[in-house]
Amino acid sequence: QVHLVQSGSEVKKPGSSVKVSCKASGGTFNNYGINWVRQAPGQGLEWVGGIIPIFGTPNYAQKFQGRVTVTADKSTNTVYMDLNSLTSDDTAVYFCARVAVALSPHHAFDIWGQGTMVTVSS
Amino acid sequence: DIQMTQSPSFLSASVGDRVTITCRTSHSISSYLNWYQQKLGKAPKLLISDASSLQSGVPSRFSGSGSGTDFTLTISSLQPEDFATYYCQQTYSTSYAFGQGTILQIK
Repeated sequence: QVHLVQSGSEVKKPGSSVKVSCKASGGTFNNYGINWVRQAPGQGLEWVGGIIPIFGTPNYAQKFQGRVTVTADKSTNTVYMDLNSLTSDDTAVYFCARVAVALSPHHAFDIWGQGTMVTVSS
Repeated sequence: DIQMTQSPSFLSASVGDRVTITCRTSHSISSYLNWYQQKLGKAPKLLISDASSLQSGVPSRFSGSGSGTDFTLTISSLQPEDFATYYCQQTYSTSYAFGQGTILQIK
């Protein structure tokens, strides 16, 4: 059974950047898309971006284009999300989530990480 | 981008009730529609994929239907553990939009 384990909470200053990690254990990693979804306090779910590690080409929500970078390290089964130019609006829990079907982006997110709280405050 | 309209935003119901949540998309998405349940402080849990495929371990009181632009999630007989927030999500387009969510509360 695959598990996704994320890095710990972060507190950042406005204008800085944050890098959150998502490490997969217990199964095949490279062939499954890993996506980042965020949830601001009391709000709904918002897709940020994702990557299929074996292909290596990321895909981003238009809202975050130019500000987010998603990368994969196949040697350590880890996907990273780097978000820069942070504002208070970026305060949220960031989840990583795996696409249920290998080598395809058009399927549900079946396995989720535990979430990483990112707080942006001066 | 595909727009998602989920309704209602809030739903108050009692144990044993049958409830339905709807999700409408701005463009046809075939059956690329998924439903998630989220409890406070937890990650979302996949309930139904591809409009009507119940995930392993999910109780059979949950069901999904629809195709094209109109979809529904039905809970046939509410149990205490079902009170949570529910989200739809399209995976037809890799913008992966989510609905706004439905908070299901105990009456």
